[in-house]
Order: sequence, then C-alpha cells, then structure tokens
Amino acid sequence: NAGVTQTPKFQVLKTGQSMTLQCAQDMNHEYMSWYRQDPGMGLRLIHYSVGAGITDQGEVPNGYNVSRSTTEDFPLRLLSAAPSQTSVYFCASSPKGQGARGYTFGSGTRLTVV
Amino acid sequence: AQSVTQLDSHVSVSEGTPVLLRCNYSSSYSPSLFWYVQHPNKGLQLLLKYTSAATLVKGINGFEAEFKKSETSFHLTKPSAHMSDAAEYFCVVDNQGSNYKLTFGKGTLLTVNP
Repeated sequence: NAGVTQTPKFQVLKTGQSMTLQCAQDMNHEYMSWYRQDPGMGLRLIHYSVGAGITDQGEVPNGYNVSRSTTEDFPLRLLSAAPSQTSVYFCASSPKGQGARGYTFGSGTRLTVV
Repeated sequence: AQSVTQLDSHVSVSEGTPVLLRCNYSSSYSPSLFWYVQHPNKGLQLLLKYTSAATLVKGINGFEAEFKKSETSFHLTKPSAHMSDAAEYFCVVDNQGSNYKLTFGKGTLLTVNP
C-alpha cells in the first residue's frame, strides 16, 4: 500500500497564480483532510471531507477550495496564490469510525509563493 | 473549545539523560490525546495515543506519556535520550463534536547534545 500520496513535494508560485495540490489515498479511508504547517503555529485544519461529495471548512479555509468526487482523491486548490499561503501542506486520511485515532499523514507539499 | 498548550518551545538535553516534554490540554469532555514527531523536512509520525483506556501510554522508540485528568496534562517522557530523538514534537487533541478534527500544539523542538 502506498498510503497517502501528496504531489508535488515542492512548488514555487508567483503571486496570483493558481495551482492544485494533489492528495490520494489507497486505503479506502472515508475521512480526508488538509492541514497547513507554519513555524511556531503547529498544524491548522484548512478543509476536511467525511466522504465523497461532502466537504466542510476547517480553521483556516480562506483562499482554498476543495472537492471530493471520489473516495481516493481530495485535491486542494489555490485560486490566486498569496505570499501568506507560503507553508507546508499535509493531507491526512482516516477510516470510518476511527476518527483521529486512525489518522495517516502524507509526506507534505512545501509551497513557496513569491 | 479544545486547546493544547506545549509549555516549552525548545528543550535541550544531553544524550543519555531523561526527556520531558510538557503538554497541558483544555477540553470540556474526555478527549483523545496524541503525540506526533516530525524529523527535519519529514512528515508526521504518530508516537503514541491515549483514547480513554490505560492512563499510562507506551509508544514507539521508548517514549511514554501519562494522562492526568486532575492536572489536565499529557506529558511525554523518555528515560534516556538518543541523538536520533532530535526532532519537533507535537501534542494533539481531538475535537468535540467531530472526532476527526485535530487541534495541534505549537510544537516543542528537542535538541540532543552529544
């Protein structure tokens, strides 16, 4: 099993550009989420999904869009990148019924917006 | 709302000496608590988790943590530090109403000196 796969691992964007961070899991996990990590802030929840077709906002959703058309994929879209979105982004998934106890994290995407 | 406070942003120990990373939590219900470790430029790895079973939780690599409800603490300890323990450590609590959501502490950077 590959687990949770994030692509790309590194990305540099110019202010105003758009891009999609990809997250895929092959464990048939129902729950998926996106976090951002900033120095001295820990990880903060951006968006999450409890199943295909269902998404909701987390703590810091502004500037990000998500969709969940399949169980496997949960892409994160930046429509117009800003320097404040420079961060490391982690995707995570969990099986039904296990909640936070069953989390598996991806290896992260390091995004720099210049 | 749930919250986590890691009392030290940086802890420095000598190899072979004990490690203590302190975490206090705030929750209006019985939470699940976790410790994650992140080595430089790596993803997050689960060290251990407390989910209302035994209050003394043993994790990987010789780490353990004790849940103390009266003190609202979940401190992480290890009897003897190894150079490979140098990393950032996050104390994490799940969120009431949606046990898939996690609230992270701001992290404690552990330095191990030879």
